[in-house]
Amino acid sequence: QSVLTQPPSASGTPGQRVTISCSGSNSNIAGNTLNWYQQLPGTAPKLLIYSTNQRPSGVPGRFSGSKSGTSASLAISGLQSEDEADYYCAAWDDSLKGWVFGGGTKLTVL
Amino acid sequence: EVRLVESGGGLVQPGRSLRLSCAASGFTFEDYAMHWVRQPPGKGLEWVSGISWSSGSIDYADSVRGRFTISRDNDKNSLFLQMNSLRPEDTALYYCVKVRKSFKLLKDDAFDLWGQGSMVTVSS
Repeated sequence: QSVLTQPPSASGTPGQRVTISCSGSNSNIAGNTLNWYQQLPGTAPKLLIYSTNQRPSGVPGRFSGSKSGTSASLAISGLQSEDEADYYCAAWDDSLKGWVFGGGTKLTVL
Repeated sequence: EVRLVESGGGLVQPGRSLRLSCAASGFTFEDYAMHWVRQPPGKGLEWVSGISWSSGSIDYADSVRGRFTISRDNDKNSLFLQMNSLRPEDTALYYCVKVRKSFKLLKDDAFDLWGQGSMVTVSS
């Protein structure tokens, strides 16, 4: 049971806009920044979004992040086949005094 | 090229020990805090431990506290994870991870460089 809750799966067709949710609590998402990681099949995770809505250099503008209260979302617009991957949200938890991850969402491009 | 390369994984019996190493290159190692994150086969990510540049600040997940010890050698650009009293539930791919912005352990940082991982299997 992960501290942050994500839907196990999501899907969309090429060109569509897809959102992935991440639900937490006052001790993690509400009080701290939120990061998103993308893990392509058979590879190590990659930082996708940091500080809730910032994109590292090289990450396409199709990816965006937002947060409201104890929930956050990752939005992918103009969905492409290469976006098929597992996506994880993560934040520092003030109560646990450690980093916590969501269980991951497997995105399928139909 | 900026990279992290883990080593030291393998098959070990429950209750035994194993030491993971991570060799960093392509960046100034001592300028960044470092972490270990693990991923059991077919499952999600779990943060294990983090260490500041000077080793003055160290954090552990509750699941490993008292059994695992993180350390670093800035002269050798290396990060380590000593794992004692291993349990079957410690079976996972262990990633060495660099933070994005600070030499301190900060809660508003992010993990911006990951190694390819070292597999640890705990089984009799």
